Amino acid sequence: QSALTQPPSASGSPGQSVTISCTGTSSDVGGYNYVSWYQQHPGKAPKLMIYEVTKRPSGVPDRFSGSKSGNTASLTVSGLQAEDEADYYCGSFAGSHNYVFGTGTKVTVL
Amino acid sequence: EVLLVESGGGSVQPGGSLRLSCAASGFTFPTYGMSWVRQAPGKGLEWVSAISGTGDTTYYADSVKGRFTIARDNSKDTLYLQMNSLRAEDTAVYYCAKDLFGDITGYDYWGQGTLVTVSS
Repeated sequence: QSALTQPPSASGSPGQSVTISCTGTSSDVGGYNYVSWYQQHPGKAPKLMIYEVTKRPSGVPDRFSGSKSGNTASLTVSGLQAEDEADYYCGSFAGSHNYVFGTGTKVTVL
Repeated sequence: EVLLVESGGGSVQPGGSLRLSCAASGFTFPTYGMSWVRQAPGKGLEWVSAISGTGDTTYYADSVKGRFTIARDNSKDTLYLQMNSLRAEDTAVYYCAKDLFGDITGYDYWGQGTLVTVSS
């Protein structure tokens, strides 16, 4: 199972928006609505930010939103804040009892 | 409060074995599937293995199939990963993670990770 494809980096100024893409296939992202997004600060464990493509866990700011079109999912962070600077990974159920993560995107707040 | 605490990491020579543990608390452990996810130094996340809530069903990434065994003890609220025939490429921080709903639907809680180093 190949990793989902994400851009290596993304950036924006405070208050701006940034969108990260996550491209897979019809066997993972496109085939199921079990796409999640995880935020990881250096030296820390990943944190769930979005699940089932668009849903936010309790406590996650509504600045974070998810969507999907075909084999590509996206995470948008609106109103960028300094604490949003982190690595972001998408993840998807991949059928045949497998799970696959994205390659990761480093978000920089300028 | 959900807590997942991994232990058992350390340094081991190639070909050696190690058993990781993950002590869970704050939720009804037998109700949820659990997984192990690893992250090599400076690299991305890699799904390793998963187990159903009852422990009856297990799943593995191709990279570890036949070498790693996932198990759980629901009487102790503990998840395990037995790692045999370790290779240099198994060097990583290993996280245990709690499934959102059913098996392998996504992960809402993660442990702090335990480092496994395979080197001669």
